[in-house]
Amino acid sequence: GAVVSQHPSWVICKSGTSVKIECRSLDFQATTMFWYRQFPKQSLMLMATSNEGSKATYEQGVEKDKFLINHASLTLSTLTVTSAHPEDSSFYICSARDLAGGIDEQFFGPGTRLTVL
Amino acid sequence: GENVEQHPSTLSVQEGDSAVIKCTYSDSASNYFPWYKQELGKRPQLIIDIRSNVGEKKDQRIAVTLNKTAKHFSLHITETQPEDSAVYFCAAPGDTGNQFYFGTGTSLTVIP
Repeated sequence: GAVVSQHPSWVICKSGTSVKIECRSLDFQATTMFWYRQFPKQSLMLMATSNEGSKATYEQGVEKDKFLINHASLTLSTLTVTSAHPEDSSFYICSARDLAGGIDEQFFGPGTRLTVL
Repeated sequence: GENVEQHPSTLSVQEGDSAVIKCTYSDSASNYFPWYKQELGKRPQLIIDIRSNVGEKKDQRIAVTLNKTAKHFSLHITETQPEDSAVYFCAAPGDTGNQFYFGTGTSLTVIP
């Protein structure tokens, strides 16, 4: 199957700082990528749909000014958590679909564990 | 977005027994339903999926059934093994068909 990478795999930051997470599709072009957040022992919650060359579509209740998404190329989407606070500590996972290839499956990155002190 | 409900939240079975997890969805236009297995700290892994033009799909010990009229689909694991212990999630597409919404998850424990 297709490969999606994510960087970093874990990050610890101080409250008030910003953190950028990268999601890359390594062997296919992804016009659409997705960002999820997962708190311990909970489900994956869709945060936003990242669209190449246009603005991201955010789910209800997700602050677009706090979670900045940029999808500047067909293989890279970034999520920036701005002014991070301890409640933003979570497991962030991206995924991508090879829609041009007509594939239903979404391919997940390995996730980024964010801890805000 | 899609409203996906999943039951049960926890499930314990004896090794060799079967496990069944059920999900319901709200968007009648949904046409693709994946099931994922997630181990602690890892990414979700697709274990089986089904499209809406079929009612059942099987892959060795794993099967998925779909009832479009009732808007529910189920995961069936037969002859369970300890390595099947994990959290399982169903998912269903949203109204654009591109994004997916996940069920609340089922923590499966297979007792040796």
